[in-house]
Amino acid sequence: KAGVTQTPRYLIKTRGQQVTLSCSPISGHRSVSWYQQTPGQGLQFLFEYFSETQRNKGNFPGRFSGRQFSNSRSEMNVSTLELGDSALYLCASSPGPRSYNEQFFGPGTRLTVL
Amino acid sequence: DQQVKQNSPSLSVQEGRISILNCDYTNSMFDYFLWYKKYPAEGPTFLISISSIKDKNEDGRFTVFLNKSAKHLSLHIVPSQPGDSAVYFCAATTVTGNQFYFGTGTSLTVIP
Repeated sequence: KAGVTQTPRYLIKTRGQQVTLSCSPISGHRSVSWYQQTPGQGLQFLFEYFSETQRNKGNFPGRFSGRQFSNSRSEMNVSTLELGDSALYLCASSPGPRSYNEQFFGPGTRLTVL
Repeated sequence: DQQVKQNSPSLSVQEGRISILNCDYTNSMFDYFLWYKKYPAEGPTFLISISSIKDKNEDGRFTVFLNKSAKHLSLHIVPSQPGDSAVYFCAATTVTGNQFYFGTGTSLTVIP
């Protein structure tokens, strides 16, 4: 089975721009979560989608948004980029909302905001 | 507000010895805990978990201990191997919740 894929792997943007990151879950997985990883902050939960519905959202400003498509693929969007948005963005997929031991992470998208 | 804390950013251990990684949490509602391992340029991979109804869970060389009264869990790796060198994250959630809370990670180096 193919793992979780994220595109692009690396991205450089400037302040004020917007960016869209993509995540393709493992085949058959319907739950996708997004995390932001920064040094000293660990992984911070952004949001979770299941069956195209956002089930939970972390404590991030409205500039961070996401969606999930009918094939379970998910995108996250960050508008009006700030320097502090530079981070590794990870997505994780699982079969369902509480498949705790079956959450698989992708390799991440490294976003640099200049 | 960091609800899950890993106060040791790094740890070095000799090959064959025990590695002990620690994690503290503040939210008494957490009832499920996980450890993940992360290599550079890869996403975290699930390692081991424990439910709050247990105080110990073992899987091969990895054992997780949970002390609910102290709101503390630890991961023991015995014996440590060079391939264990990675960043380890602990995470917590509630069985009825939808969100994982991660610690900041501990970078383990196992010296051959």
